Amino acid sequence: DPKIIQKPKYLVAVTGSEKILICEQYLGHNAMYWYRQSAKKPLEFMFSYSYQKLMDNQTASSRFQPQSSKKNHLDLQITALKPDDSATYFCASSQENERLFFGHGTKLSVL
Amino acid sequence: GQQVQQSPASLVLQEGENAELQCNFSSTATRLQWFYQHPGGRLVSLFYNPSGTKHTGRLTSTTVTNERRSSLHISSSQTTDSGTYFCAIDQTGNYKYVFGAGTRLKVIA
Repeated sequence: DPKIIQKPKYLVAVTGSEKILICEQYLGHNAMYWYRQSAKKPLEFMFSYSYQKLMDNQTASSRFQPQSSKKNHLDLQITALKPDDSATYFCASSQENERLFFGHGTKLSVL
Repeated sequence: GQQVQQSPASLVLQEGENAELQCNFSSTATRLQWFYQHPGGRLVSLFYNPSGTKHTGRLTSTTVTNERRSSLHISSSQTTDSGTYFCAIDQTGNYKYVFGAGTRLKVIA
């Protein structure tokens, strides 16, 4: 019974399109994160939020926009998709900034 | 920025052998974790260990903060231990864990 739900599990998109990756956590944590993993790079920090406020942002491109509509939600909107955006995107959560728990990931392929 | 170096990059063991994975970091870490990534991709937290030694089952994590290093010891390895092990550091305390490149472990029967 996963406590961090990511949707969809797999996603195929065309170059130039826009997609939203969904993340919900049911661990009661205050902090949520997005990480990206591709063949070219190790797990790469993207964003962190605590109590729905942005804590840190390591993503240079404004094409990546996190959206937190509720305290246990942190979605990721990606616009003007490029083939280089192909990766697995992991959502994570923690209580304060202690132990991280990860979702199963969304594998994005951009054609 | 924070640099996290893991060694070895890869390791092959015979079942039953022990493994010692290393993590070195460039600045004092306020928080440190070890993770295991299944071959299928799922990431599992093994230890939250900013300092000292922790044990769970066949795994032991030891972090020496002032020497900026941590190790993960796997005893009596099993084929199911195969996968990638990551060390992650939060230096700033600002909800930003930086990951090392990982150690890819393969345990053969």
